[in-house]
Amino acid sequence: ETGVTQSPTHLIKTRGQQVTLRCSSQSGHNTVSWYQQALGQGPQFIFQYYREEENGRGNFPPRFSGLQFPNYSSELNVNALELDDSALYLCASSLGVGKGSYNEQFFGPGTRLTVL
Amino acid sequence: KQEVTQIPAALSVPEGENLVLNCSFTDSAIYNLQWFRQDPGKGLTSLLLIQSSQREQTSGRLNASLDKSSGRSTLYIAASQPGDSATYLCAVMNHNTDKLIFGTGTRLQVFP
Repeated sequence: ETGVTQSPTHLIKTRGQQVTLRCSSQSGHNTVSWYQQALGQGPQFIFQYYREEENGRGNFPPRFSGLQFPNYSSELNVNALELDDSALYLCASSLGVGKGSYNEQFFGPGTRLTVL
Repeated sequence: KQEVTQIPAALSVPEGENLVLNCSFTDSAIYNLQWFRQDPGKGLTSLLLIQSSQREQTSGRLNASLDKSSGRSTLYIAASQPGDSATYLCAVMNHNTDKLIFGTGTRLQVFP
């Protein structure tokens, strides 16, 4: 059983550019959630995808968008990068939506994004 | 709006001590609570998951308790070791959502 993987590990971009981050879910999981973690803070929920549909969104602007593919891998896209977008981006996979112990979320190692 | 607070923000203890990390949340309508460990610059490792109907969970030297009515959870670490040094995060999942709401963490240092 493979765990959650993310790519790339690190990324440096300049303000105004666009970036795509990738996540492969744990085997058998159909739900992926993305979080942003600024330095010294807890992760903040960006959005979640369940079976290729967006299933909830946090307080992030529309320039943060995502996709989930039929194999349940996922992308996070950020347009018009700002300096405050510098953070660790974490994805988490889980099984199912709603109630049940399968809501436990398993996190990947994260992508460190630096915006200059 | 759910808010999660962790106290203390940082803790430094000698090896071998037993210690308690605290987590409080403002809305008791949670589905579950999870404790995570995060090493510097790394992702999150799930330590313990407590469902809202449970009072505690144990894994090795770790024990987490949950008092939903008072909005509190504690993570007890027995016989601490230098390898336990990390940031510990607690997170709650509210009813009818699948998003985790995190505290800002407790940074733990265990020195030999």
